[in-house]
Amino acid sequence: SQQGEEDPQALSIQEGENATMNCSYKTSINNLQWYRQNSGRGLVHLILIRSNEREKHSGRLRVTLDTSKKSSSLLITASRAADTASYFCATAETGANNLFFGTGTRLTVIP
Amino acid sequence: DVKVTQSSRYLVKRTGEKVFLECVQDMDHENMFWYRQDPGLGLRLIYFSYDVKMKEKGDIPEGYSVSREKKERFSLILESASTNQTSMYLCASSHGGAPGANVLTFGAGSRLTVL
Repeated sequence: SQQGEEDPQALSIQEGENATMNCSYKTSINNLQWYRQNSGRGLVHLILIRSNEREKHSGRLRVTLDTSKKSSSLLITASRAADTASYFCATAETGANNLFFGTGTRLTVIP
Repeated sequence: DVKVTQSSRYLVKRTGEKVFLECVQDMDHENMFWYRQDPGLGLRLIYFSYDVKMKEKGDIPEGYSVSREKKERFSLILESASTNQTSMYLCASSHGGAPGANVLTFGAGSRLTVL
């Protein structure tokens, strides 16, 4: 299987700053999704970006996708303490029957 | 509020025991999934089901089986639990079609410890 890989593994910022997380993958995809997980809980879907899209916004979230570089980034603007969580990218690979999840970025927002 | 419900948040079992993890969704989703999550390894797919009584192996099916007798319920079975199955188990569901085409709705997770 081909997992996405998030970078950095951990990120610590002050409240109000922006947080950027990156995801790289290896094969062609139909879409890429970002999920959030609070400690010890299930994942919650944040945003889906299709392979023919380059940028997508949802509230304070901005996702970009560069299929030529096989990479995506998630930007959280004006971060809040409540944004503290792990963030995962998941790729829907062309022809595959599965979403492949990365190992996540642990974001800590310090009040 | 639509949701995926996992029957147990925490379980402690002994090696060799048979373990059932239950998952129910109320969204009339066709697809249901079982993942396990381990530190440093991310989420790995164990099994998924795209219809009642249908199942497909994921990346790590060894040591597990599943049952889907009703559309809303997907059970994960560990026939003989082993210590290396200590993990967080996550159930998810999605609308029909290719599993990657739609977003997943996850349950809260079941943390299993096998002693």
